[in-house]
Amino acid sequence: AQSVTQLDSQVPVFEEAPVELRCNYSSSVSVYLFWYVQYPNQGLQLLLKYLSGSTLVESINGFEAEFNKSQTSFHLRKPSVHISDTAEYFCAVSDSSASKIIFGSGTRLSIRP
Amino acid sequence: DTGVSQDPRHKITKRGQNVTFRCDPISEHNRLYWYRQTLGQGPEFLTYFQNEAQLEKSRLLSDRFSAERPKGSFSTLEIQRTEQGDSAMYLCASSLRGLAGKMDTQYFGPGTRLTVL
Repeated sequence: AQSVTQLDSQVPVFEEAPVELRCNYSSSVSVYLFWYVQYPNQGLQLLLKYLSGSTLVESINGFEAEFNKSQTSFHLRKPSVHISDTAEYFCAVSDSSASKIIFGSGTRLSIRP
Repeated sequence: DTGVSQDPRHKITKRGQNVTFRCDPISEHNRLYWYRQTLGQGPEFLTYFQNEAQLEKSRLLSDRFSAERPKGSFSTLEIQRTEQGDSAMYLCASSLRGLAGKMDTQYFGPGTRLTVL
């Protein structure tokens, strides 16, 4: 069975400050890892994903996540956040069959001006 | 708009009533998924289809829940004899399962928010 743990339910940061949203997973098989974002009153959107290859993956809006197999982590980072990054972020895992995605409970990122 | 669409966006019903939701996937996507999201939680997998075949159902999907995808295009999710605990956001996603071993990205719809009074 697979599971995802997001340790922080809320992360408040000041605008232009760096942020890290933590994610740990457990799985007995090879996994695919994802970060999804849900902006206020909008649907879930894929932010970035790790399938294989380079352990560092990047999104188009400046976020990056690093797959760490030994620590079973996939933390999301951004060196400088903007007000528009205010959203709920979900870490997720899937096995190679990609039949379903297991989501964490989410981290609400709030940006203070 | 060529994304995943869901109808209705909101549904308020009384306990004991039946409700049906519809999901239209992205055109040509052969996989369709249903998830449920309760307040403060991440989405939980309910079931998925590949074309018209329902390939997996979660234990969360009690006998009161049924999903169909009769022609391999749109899907419906029906909840019979609704209970207050069914109040949640019901999300639909679709993907294109292609070559073996190639990961397919799931694209989510806006969801249907169900409130059971």
